[in-house]
Amino acid sequence: QLMESGGDLVKPGGSLRLSCSASGFNFKIYSMNWVRQAPGKGLEWVASISSSSSAINYIDSVKGRFTISRDNAQNSLFLQMNNLRGEDAAIYYCALFAGVILWGQGTPVTVSS
Amino acid sequence: DFQMTQSPSSLSASVGDRVTITCRASQDIRNYLVWYQQRPGKVPTLLIYAASKLQSGVPSRFSGSGFGTDFTLTIAGLQPEDVATYYCQKYNSAPPLTFGGGTKVEIK
Repeated sequence: QLMESGGDLVKPGGSLRLSCSASGFNFKIYSMNWVRQAPGKGLEWVASISSSSSAINYIDSVKGRFTISRDNAQNSLFLQMNNLRGEDAAIYYCALFAGVILWGQGTPVTVSS
Repeated sequence: DFQMTQSPSSLSASVGDRVTITCRASQDIRNYLVWYQQRPGKVPTLLIYAASKLQSGVPSRFSGSGFGTDFTLTIAGLQPEDVATYYCQKYNSAPPLTFGGGTKVEIK
């Protein structure tokens, strides 16, 4: 099971940190991901982090602004989002896309002045 | 850049019709492809994994095929409860784990 938190209303240029708590599986052996879905739009993979945090990848539109990280001791995944833009407004999902596929319920991020 | 091209973007079909959605990868992804169904306001649910394996609990009218770059999701006998948006995705492999653009399925 995956449970996101931290979504909020934030002004353009602001920052937000999303968290995802994992349970029921061996979190530390899997790469993890963040996916987002803007209102009325499709699904967009945002970032991934390997099990040991040695490999990190981002979609081009968030590079330099978002940072994915994890704490395997706490079974937790994070997404630090800085310099937020209107186009970052979306529901953000924590997800596992390995032999097992799991999605969280999502946390909404609104970017508006 | 790696891309997943899904078509059509929308379709309208009658109850009982056979519906086909295609997904094309810009590079060979072997069978590292999944299909999801997403109803409005809900989290995507897994239909097909490894390109052609039916997820437990998914009705048998759903099937997937393909390998390499070209993939297909088929609904054999569209039902009213199948109204949703369907997405393909590259998975269980190196990032980016790109999604197709989605196909919105409606009843005629």
